Amino acid sequence: DAGVIQSPRHEVTEMGQEVTLRCKPISGHNSLFWYRQTMMRGLELLIYFNNNVPIDDSGMPEDRFSAKMPNASFSTLKIQPSEPRDSAVYFCASSPTGAGGELFFGEGSRLTVL
Amino acid sequence: GQQLNQSPQSMFIQEGEDVSMNCTSSSIFNTWLWYKQDPGEGPVLLIALYKAGELTSNGRLTAQFGITRKDSFLNISASIPSDVGIYFCAGQRVRDNNDMRFGAGTRLTVKP
Repeated sequence: DAGVIQSPRHEVTEMGQEVTLRCKPISGHNSLFWYRQTMMRGLELLIYFNNNVPIDDSGMPEDRFSAKMPNASFSTLKIQPSEPRDSAVYFCASSPTGAGGELFFGEGSRLTVL
Repeated sequence: GQQLNQSPQSMFIQEGEDVSMNCTSSSIFNTWLWYKQDPGEGPVLLIALYKAGELTSNGRLTAQFGITRKDSFLNISASIPSDVGIYFCAGQRVRDNNDMRFGAGTRLTVKP
């Protein structure tokens, strides 16, 4: 079975450019999460969706970040405009209802903003 | 910011040694989980704990949910080189509400 699929795996961009990260959750999973991982701050929850509806976006750093989930099989995390401090690995994870906390992570998208 | 305090930050051990790491919080958590992250990969669940005092094993791994609900530990016995990676504790204050918080991680290095 396919796991959580993220793209791109690596992106290098210049400050001010728009960045879009994509995620396809595991089929049948009702919840989707976006995390950011840095050496300084570890794994931070940015936003999560239940049944395509954003539930908690309090972790989104600022208005430059936005996330959408137009359907059960696709989500995007957009940064516009990007800044060097946004450089990090961004993980998408999905979970079925009642999973008791087990998240299935993608391989991550490593973003470098120059 | 982080709500879970995980220690140690890193460990360097010889193959065959046992390892212990723990996680504490000022808040009560109703679910504690331990994940492992290999280089270039996302974290993978190792053990999940749902009841205070629960002790659970998964092969050479043993984890416990603290009685106070504010802490958990993970032990690895007889470490092997493939145990190398970053170990994260994670917790939910309300089970299944999907608000999962992670500790800062323990980076484990095992010398053959």
